[in-house]
Amino acid sequence: DVKVTQSSRYLVKRTGEKVFLECVQDMDHENMFWYRQDPGLGLRLIYFSYDVKMKEKGDIPEGYSVSREKKERFSLILESASTNQTSMYLCASSFSRRQGGTYEQYFGPGTRLTVT
Amino acid sequence: AQTVTQSQPEMSVQEAETVTLSCTYDTSESDYYLFWYKQPPSRQMILVIRQEAYKQQNATENRFSVNFQKAAKSFSLKISDSQLGDAAMYFCAYRSDWGGSQGNLIFGKGTKLSVKP
Repeated sequence: DVKVTQSSRYLVKRTGEKVFLECVQDMDHENMFWYRQDPGLGLRLIYFSYDVKMKEKGDIPEGYSVSREKKERFSLILESASTNQTSMYLCASSFSRRQGGTYEQYFGPGTRLTVT
Repeated sequence: AQTVTQSQPEMSVQEAETVTLSCTYDTSESDYYLFWYKQPPSRQMILVIRQEAYKQQNATENRFSVNFQKAAKSFSLKISDSQLGDAAMYFCAYRSDWGGSQGNLIFGKGTKLSVKP
């Protein structure tokens, strides 16, 4: 079974702190994604990566950055956390087009981040 | 740009009954994939069912089936013999099969399904 893990289930940070959220997958997926989930807004894509050191902005990248130094690991960074970044953060991974497969994304359990 | 619309924010069903969740999407593409994901209160999002647009036959996974109407751009999920464990948020998602696409999913805003014993 595909396993996607996230470093924390719950996180409380103060305004202005630098926050790292880490995601690890064990299926050799080339694609990895970071989403933000808010009630009534569904899932919104922050960033995605289709290879090591490659990244592309999603729909709401402002205030976030990402890092992918190894294929299995994709980090989301909040350079200076703000209260409006309080949210649920979901990581996902999938095979890329060149890897083939059925393209569904596999999700981690999520990190509930609270910024006070 | 593609959009996915789930018009029912909340739905309720009696245990053992059947419920249908609606999803419509907007796209100018002809090749794509559609998915239904389930997110139980524990938060782990899991895939329920997948439909390839080129396939005319509706996908089925045990008690879950879809009604895929390509011309109408409709992709509803039917849950038969509903169980208490089916209570969750359900998200409809679209993925382009266009060569330039990197595999992003476009999600609807979700439908919260409650199951009454």
